[in-house]
Amino acid sequence: AQKITQTQPGMFVQEKEAVTLDCTYDTSDPSYGLFWYKQPSSGEMIFLIYQGSYDQQNATEGRYSLNFQKARKSANLVISASQLGDSAMYFCAMRGEGNDMRFGAGTRLTVKP
Amino acid sequence: NAGVTQTPKFRILKIGQSMTLQCTQDMNHNYMYWYRQDPGMGLKLIYYSVGAGITDKGEVPNGYNVSRSTTEDFPLRLELAAPSQTSVYFCASSYSNLGSADYGYTFGSGTRLTVV
Repeated sequence: AQKITQTQPGMFVQEKEAVTLDCTYDTSDPSYGLFWYKQPSSGEMIFLIYQGSYDQQNATEGRYSLNFQKARKSANLVISASQLGDSAMYFCAMRGEGNDMRFGAGTRLTVKP
Repeated sequence: NAGVTQTPKFRILKIGQSMTLQCTQDMNHNYMYWYRQDPGMGLKLIYYSVGAGITDKGEVPNGYNVSRSTTEDFPLRLELAAPSQTSVYFCASSYSNLGSADYGYTFGSGTRLTVV
């Protein structure tokens, strides 16, 4: 069975500082993709970053980077230079060789001015 | 590009009424999904489809039905609405090519449904 665990229900970060959102996963599939989505208060789901299980390098997209540690089955999201607009729910997700994607419970990030 | 279009955005239903949530995608994705998100929670899979004419149950299918007559459309039918179906519903679509970011979902903007 596939499972995604986000252990931080809520996180606070000071504006302009970096923050790490934790995500661990469990799968027996040899190939899989890891994803992070942002859900602002307006409700839409916004794709942030993708990491393939065979990618040698950690994924980066602007201020977002994914700290991928395959042996530990972790895929933490790092947001550098936090902005007020980063305040949102963040979901970690994984899609293995099956048909659908599994989501974690989410982490609510609040950026303080 | 329109992406994934969901209608309506908001709806209030009375207990026992029925309705159809519409979902259309224009990316020629073969996979389509319906999720519900209860307040402060993650997403739970209701139904999914791997292609026209093929649908399958997800984690929470009771009280819902789907059909997939075309690649583009994947409507979700609620029969005999109950207060427990008050939620935000997301439609999503994807390709099936594992190994690229396209393996992820494109989401619709969601439908906020209240059953009273």
